[in-house]
Amino acid sequence: DADVTQTPRNRITKTGKRIMLECSQTKGHDRMYWYRQDPGLGLRLIYYSFDVKDINKGEISDGYSVSRQAQAKFSLSLESAIPNQTALYFCATSRGGQTQYFGPGTRLLVL
Amino acid sequence: AQKITQTQPGMFVQEKEAVTLDCTYDTSDQSYGLFWYKQPSSGEMIFLIYQGSYDEQNATEGRYSLNFQKARKSANLVISASQLGDSAMYFCAMREGQIRNNDMRFGAGTRLTVKP
Repeated sequence: DADVTQTPRNRITKTGKRIMLECSQTKGHDRMYWYRQDPGLGLRLIYYSFDVKDINKGEISDGYSVSRQAQAKFSLSLESAIPNQTALYFCATSRGGQTQYFGPGTRLLVL
Repeated sequence: AQKITQTQPGMFVQEKEAVTLDCTYDTSDQSYGLFWYKQPSSGEMIFLIYQGSYDEQNATEGRYSLNFQKARKSANLVISASQLGDSAMYFCAMREGQIRNNDMRFGAGTRLTVKP
């Protein structure tokens, strides 16, 4: 079984809809992250969490919110999706500030 | 300012040959970490290799090695004996500063194609 899982793997939604992307991990890591990937831009950090009660904004947090429901679960919400949020979204985990391990990604298309 | 620069949008290499993917970085911190990830066409991000700024020796992991030149602020990835399965996007990334800092920045990536 994968250590870091993301659901859904693919999602098509319409402008203005609220959607949630979920991430779960079995690695026992304390830190979790959400990134988005756009062509030619590499990955950019949206939010990260050191533990359940410690959530921090990343480089591009506007238009997103997160919830760390448990050490193993970290969800990303788009309150009102817009087309320029079409991207590949990755969840990642790490033990402390060490190497980050990524989930398989969620492809999101906002029409 | 761009923290991580990968100047090669695309690279080609013949199977079984070695290839170097370039990465330069910009930081004023003394403590930082450098990472390389592979992204095959299936989309997942696979961790390859890590180099700490205080590590005196270049990191190696199997066929991957990191040519770390601190004074030049470069952290090139060397893949030896290329295989067809090495065809993928490769991303260089840097985490700066103290351990609490999770500001990890990625380069734009290099697409490697291995020719048979």
